[in-house]
Amino acid sequence: SQQGEEDPQALSIQEGENATMNCSYKTSINNLQWYRQNSGRGLVHLILIRSNEREKHSGRLRVTLDTSKKSSSLLITASRAADTASYFCATMNSGYSTLTFGKGTMLLVSP
Amino acid sequence: EAGVAQSPRYKIIEKRQSVAFWCNPISGHATLYWYQQILGQGPKLLIQFQNNGVVDDSQLPKDRFSAERLKGVDSTLKIQPAKLEDSAVYLCASSLDVVPKSGNTIYFGEGSWLTVV
Repeated sequence: SQQGEEDPQALSIQEGENATMNCSYKTSINNLQWYRQNSGRGLVHLILIRSNEREKHSGRLRVTLDTSKKSSSLLITASRAADTASYFCATMNSGYSTLTFGKGTMLLVSP
Repeated sequence: EAGVAQSPRYKIIEKRQSVAFWCNPISGHATLYWYQQILGQGPKLLIQFQNNGVVDDSQLPKDRFSAERLKGVDSTLKIQPAKLEDSAVYLCASSLDVVPKSGNTIYFGEGSWLTVV
């Protein structure tokens, strides 16, 4: 079953704008991870945030986690055409190290 | 560092035929995963190994899917007989640590694209 649900399903912006994607989940987690998938390619790990962390940065990426609301957001600042991809949130449950993925957000960045 | 290797990258078969996918994880990684990703959806876990033991295969359709990880390294995923709805990308992934580990990063291969006609 898929735990994470991303919102929006699709997002279209211009280069230089910021892109925000949200993820909601249902059960308690160990950590939450964001992945990028370019068309026809595998998944690339972007960032991991642990359940006891609230915010994390990596380059142009900023991730927040609110465990009380069971939600996370991924912010990409100053977007580029190369950021065009699908973005997935994935939760790692407390028991095993199993990642459960959402359905993803398709991001289109136009030049 | 070499990534997760998968083969073949693409495969087209007729329904009721069989197919096998191979995965070589990152060297030293204890945990290996097989995910199925249907077009437009997120990946769904099929099976998870720790070394050569199965941790979770609850979503593996065992009447037609099988997987093994001999000697705790390479793994093979087999589908026999294939159905049209098995058309998907089969992603292999690996992670360093044995569960549980809060900082586990899971690394994915490029995937094996299966089309069943």
